[in-house]
Amino acid sequence: TQLLEQSPQFLSIQEGENLTVYCNSSSVFSSLQWYRQEPGEGPVLLVTVVTGGEVKKLKRLTFQFGDARKDSSLHITAAQPGDTGLYLCASHSGNTPLVFGKGTRLSVIA
Amino acid sequence: SAVISQKPSRDICQRGTSLTIQCQVDSQVTMMFWYRQQPGQSLTLIATANQGSEATYESGFVIDKFPISRPNLTFSTLTVSNMSPEDSSIYLCSVGGRLNYGYTFGSGTRLTVV
Repeated sequence: TQLLEQSPQFLSIQEGENLTVYCNSSSVFSSLQWYRQEPGEGPVLLVTVVTGGEVKKLKRLTFQFGDARKDSSLHITAAQPGDTGLYLCASHSGNTPLVFGKGTRLSVIA
Repeated sequence: SAVISQKPSRDICQRGTSLTIQCQVDSQVTMMFWYRQQPGQSLTLIATANQGSEATYESGFVIDKFPISRPNLTFSTLTVSNMSPEDSSIYLCSVGGRLNYGYTFGSGTRLTVV
């Protein structure tokens, strides 16, 4: 089973600041997904990255996939209180189930 | 993507009792997955439920404690048996998308065992 190391575990920042969350593995990802979970809800998919070196943007969120497909990052620009939540990276290979990192709990203070 | 209806959304149960959680999907899916999310933690896979065969359990989870039913391609249940306070968690069902597409999750069942 692929292990996903996610950092930082907790992050508390002021509104308007930038932040980066990291996801790493010792194995190569076939693909990697980022999810966001709010209290009382299940995780919701933000993005899937597949190709090494890939960069995807979703409004103020920028997702990068490492060239070697062993790491990924999520960068949020000018964070807002609505960005508060649990951010999870996850991966699976072939027909194996989705495996999650430990998550980064983000709190954006107004 | 699929839409999942999960219930109950929350429950408070006495230790030693059992609770059955239901998930209904709006389309036919081959595999459904059950996850546990302990307080403040990430998601841990309990088992994979295939229609027409026994569920496949992950290490640390056993059928006697977490029996699963999968009577058809749109429905599954997870039972948490003989509950103890350590079973207090959020339980989520999920279905997988096509290759490289995201998974869809139910909204979860918040279980508190007292």
